[in-house]
Amino acid sequence: DGGITQSPKYLFRKEGQNVTLSCEQNLNHDAMYWYRQDPGQGLRLIYYSQIVNDFQKGDIAEGYSVSREKKESFPLTVTSAQKNPTAFYLCASGDRGVGNSPLHFGNGTRLTVT
Amino acid sequence: RKEVEQDPGPFNVPEGATVAFNCTYSNSASQSFFWYRQDCRKEPKLLMSVYSSGNEDGRFTAQLNRASQYISLLIRDSKLSDSATYLCVVNTGSSNTGKLIFGQGTTLQVKP
Repeated sequence: DGGITQSPKYLFRKEGQNVTLSCEQNLNHDAMYWYRQDPGQGLRLIYYSQIVNDFQKGDIAEGYSVSREKKESFPLTVTSAQKNPTAFYLCASGDRGVGNSPLHFGNGTRLTVT
Repeated sequence: RKEVEQDPGPFNVPEGATVAFNCTYSNSASQSFFWYRQDCRKEPKLLMSVYSSGNEDGRFTAQLNRASQYISLLIRDSKLSDSATYLCVVNTGSSNTGKLIFGQGTTLQVKP
């Protein structure tokens, strides 16, 4: 079955450590996105990539980094520079350049940094 | 002004009621619009796309008003299972930019 997979579902880290969240899709989508959601809040765009080897900053990119070496994969690294990393992280994919193309989401990763 | 704005609610309605949510957007060049549903501690799931002519899917009707720059979602005959947060999503540029912005969501609670 086609879909988008995030792992792990729950992640616990100590402050000061970098951590990488995995996101893999087999939907053959060109575009992939990372969002962050805090309790009671909407989704905020961290980074997005419309094609392999290219990515753009979203609204809250500081303290995060990404890579897009393969079409299927878009890992997100939360660095120690991110001031408030504890959040629900959602990865999504979609068709680039297709009007009215919705996003498909993974199940999310809940990151807790103490 | 936020790029995409929603009334966070909560909207508390009895079963069987009709309820409507609005979502305003700031970029007049936006071309793609969607409504998503998010259950507590889950990922958002696509409810419906919003087309210029308006569209309906069972009890749900979505409309776009370009002149006033808002989209709406109407839910008729509310069910307990409709309780969730409804997110509007807007592509803030042309369809090729791929930057989709979410509103903060509107929470709906349907009571027996």
